[in-house]
Amino acid sequence: EVLLLESGGGLVQPGGSLRLSCAASGFTFSRYAMTWVRQAPGKGLEWVSAISSSGTGTYYADSVKGRFTISRDNSKNTLFLQMNSLRAEDTAVYYCANNKEAFYDSSGDHWGQGTLVTVSS
Amino acid sequence: DIQMTQSPSTLSTSVGDRVTITCRASQRVSTWLAWYQQKPGKAPKLLIYKTSTLESGVPSRFSGSGSGTEFTLTISSLQPDDFATYYCQQYNSYWTFGQGTKVEIK
Repeated sequence: EVLLLESGGGLVQPGGSLRLSCAASGFTFSRYAMTWVRQAPGKGLEWVSAISSSGTGTYYADSVKGRFTISRDNSKNTLFLQMNSLRAEDTAVYYCANNKEAFYDSSGDHWGQGTLVTVSS
Repeated sequence: DIQMTQSPSTLSTSVGDRVTITCRASQRVSTWLAWYQQKPGKAPKLLIYKTSTLESGVPSRFSGSGSGTEFTLTISSLQPDDFATYYCQQYNSYWTFGQGTKVEIK
């Protein structure tokens, strides 16, 4: 069974930082691209960032480019999202998802349960 | 950037009804289109990818069609478990989601 378990969310002040993690199991993590998607309270889904299976390719939405960094540790089956210079509009549930292929522009597959990030003073 | 527009935003319907949701892309995405179902407080669940390929375990009452810029999700006979919000997603270039269609009880 595929499991994706996000952690690291919480309350942070504007301008602060958080590092999200996504622990993966039940599939060969190193073979698949991975993606972060967020959902603001009561809103729709927004693609945030993606990383290729090897980690050499990283991609970002314009709204987070220069502030967020995606990375992965294939030896530990874990995906990360380092979030700096956080803003109120970054408040959302952050989901990790595995892609169906090794490259970033492939369909999503399984999703984690999400972790809530709240940016507020 | 590719924009995705779903219609309708809300659908009031009954068990047993045939439901159709439309998704339009601002530019051609070939058949790189997926559909997700999301229930309150839960993660999205993949239903269909590559326009019409049913994800394993998804009931056959769900189907998808289309190509280029116009796509459709059809539920042939709505079941009580199907009341949820549905999102289309293009993955021709990065990911973009539609704004969602809430299927609610009439």
